[in-house]
Amino acid sequence: SAVISQKPSRDICQRGTSLTIQCQVDSQVTMMFWYRQQPGQSLTLIATANQGSEATYESGFVIDKFPISRPNLTFSTLTVSNMSPEDSSIYLCSVGDRLSEQYFGPGTRLTVT
Amino acid sequence: AQSVTQLGSHVSVSEGALVLLRCNYSSSVPPYLFWYVQYPNQGLQLLLKYTTGATLVKGINGFEAEFKKSETSFHLTKPSAHMSDAAEYFCAVRAEGAQKLVFGQGTRLTINP
Repeated sequence: SAVISQKPSRDICQRGTSLTIQCQVDSQVTMMFWYRQQPGQSLTLIATANQGSEATYESGFVIDKFPISRPNLTFSTLTVSNMSPEDSSIYLCSVGDRLSEQYFGPGTRLTVT
Repeated sequence: AQSVTQLGSHVSVSEGALVLLRCNYSSSVPPYLFWYVQYPNQGLQLLLKYTTGATLVKGINGFEAEFKKSETSFHLTKPSAHMSDAAEYFCAVRAEGAQKLVFGQGTRLTINP
């Protein structure tokens, strides 16, 4: 299984600002995914990030709000832009491919005040 | 489209008792099914998965689940609960060949001494 780290582990941010979350994997992976887990809720997929192509966003999520970078096969970033209190959530990255399960990072706990 | 329903947002059992967490899925194609566990302030950890083959799958920490196609179910069980099993459990489905994981709402398991 892949070992995934995320930075920062938690942050408190003011509304209107942006935060970039980093996801690092210890091996090369084709697919990386970004999820949001709102307080007391399940996980919702934000987007799929494949190296060398534009991220694919799920319904309800847009690139201007959640820009994603995938510069290589071991790293990705998610930016939460122009934050509001409704963006307070846990953001998780995961890795996997069509033939296997997904492995998750520890998450980034974001509070927007 | 795939969907997952977890019956019971909160399950409470006594230490040593049987754990049964229910999961029903909807999928128009053969599904891959997963159970993940989330301990407080941590990311998701894979408990077990069903892809093809034997319908009774064994996972980590003494958990197992049975894929029942006729009932579209993938319930998670453990014969004897331990205090360390207290956590949030998520059932997830992915269609064969697809990238996206769809999660259920989660079941919080509490273990009573």
